[in-house]
Amino acid sequence: AQSVTQLGSHVSVSEGALVLLRCNYSSSVPPYLFWYVQYPNQGLQLLLKYTSAATLVKGINGFEAEFKKSETSFHLTKPSAHMSDAAEYFCAVSDVYKLVFGAGTILRVKS
Amino acid sequence: NAGVTQTPKFQVLKTGQSMTLQCAQDMNHNSMYWYRQDPGMGLRLIYYSASEGTTDKGEVPNGYNVSRLNKREFSLRLESAAPSQTSVYFCASSDSLTGTGELFFGEGSRLTVL
Repeated sequence: AQSVTQLGSHVSVSEGALVLLRCNYSSSVPPYLFWYVQYPNQGLQLLLKYTSAATLVKGINGFEAEFKKSETSFHLTKPSAHMSDAAEYFCAVSDVYKLVFGAGTILRVKS
Repeated sequence: NAGVTQTPKFQVLKTGQSMTLQCAQDMNHNSMYWYRQDPGMGLRLIYYSASEGTTDKGEVPNGYNVSRLNKREFSLRLESAAPSQTSVYFCASSDSLTGTGELFFGEGSRLTVL
């Protein structure tokens, strides 16, 4: 079965600083990988999706993620954090008929 | 365009009571899912329906049943609620039959079992 591991349950950055959220996957086949964001008291929404077309994937709100097969990683980055980025972020991998989610990383942005 | 609608948004039950969470999507999606979210554990799949007329167990199906009533609706039933089922429940849908497409989520149903 496919799985993902998110390193760090909480990440704190200053406004304007680089955001780096880590995700490693375990997959026996070329994976479809996703990052979702959840704002307080809301459902999840898609940030970006990797489908093997390109290793660097750009998403909404200035986020991007790079697929590195040799490291089995799909880390999420944003060059400059904004207060509105404070949320919980989930990495996910496709399995047969469904998505498997990581435990999530809560991003705090300090002013 | 409502997307995925879940009802109720909040519910408090006593141990042993039963209830049904309702979910409907208006995007003509084939696949529908029920997840539960618990702090530090991410989202865990309870049941899914890859297409109308089929349902399958996910990672944590014990204590739950589902019904894919039609293409639009997918309900989750707790027959005898337990405190361990206190959680936030999310319904989601996708136009993908293979699990590789985007999931669209409802706003969640917060359930407390006393």
